[in-house]
Amino acid sequence: GENVEQHPSTLSVQEGDSAVIKCTYSDSASNYFPWYKQELGKGPQLIIDIRSNVGEKKDQRIAVTLNKTAKHFSLHITETQPEDSAVYFCAAPGYGGSQGNLIFGKGTKLSVKP
Amino acid sequence: DTGVSQNPRHKITKRGQNVTFRCDPISEHNRLYWYRQTLGQGPEFLTYFQNEAQLEKSRLLSDRFSAERPKGSFSTLEIQRTEQGDSAMYLCASSSRGSLNYGYTFGSGTRLTVV
Repeated sequence: GENVEQHPSTLSVQEGDSAVIKCTYSDSASNYFPWYKQELGKGPQLIIDIRSNVGEKKDQRIAVTLNKTAKHFSLHITETQPEDSAVYFCAAPGYGGSQGNLIFGKGTKLSVKP
Repeated sequence: DTGVSQNPRHKITKRGQNVTFRCDPISEHNRLYWYRQTLGQGPEFLTYFQNEAQLEKSRLLSDRFSAERPKGSFSTLEIQRTEQGDSAMYLCASSSRGSLNYGYTFGSGTRLTVV
């Protein structure tokens, strides 16, 4: 089955700096990779996702890159702001491309210092 | 309909009692998922429904856990004979297979504390 590893577990940056969070996955058949942001007391919120037919996707200050050969994908946040502080989770399908079941990483707690 | 709704938000129960949680998904979403999240961990898959059919169930899911989605709309998750290890946040999510975006929309969760 799929295994998702996420690093780092905590990340502290100064406001305005960039933040990068990396995830690796094990199942080469996986074809969908979402990123979620979870604020205290709330459920995870989808912020960006990428499918295996593209290598990069951007949405304003957020971007995700995918390296299928190396089986890793990364979240990039530029010009960080204090409201970016949250826990971020990556995920991958649990069974060879199925979207019925997502396997999540353990999360990265991002702190943006004003 | 502005999102996925979960009730109750918090539940404290004594060990050995049964508890039931409810999830109301986004109305046009035909897929509904249950996840469990413990402190400092990512969500862990429990089970999922497409319409009223339960299509996947985690091997980690104890026989004390059961979920239903009788009319393909709301779902309930029941835990029988609760144990302290069941204390966690129980998250519900929904998605629409027909959409270009397969990403889940999560509810705010039900936090269960077993004392």
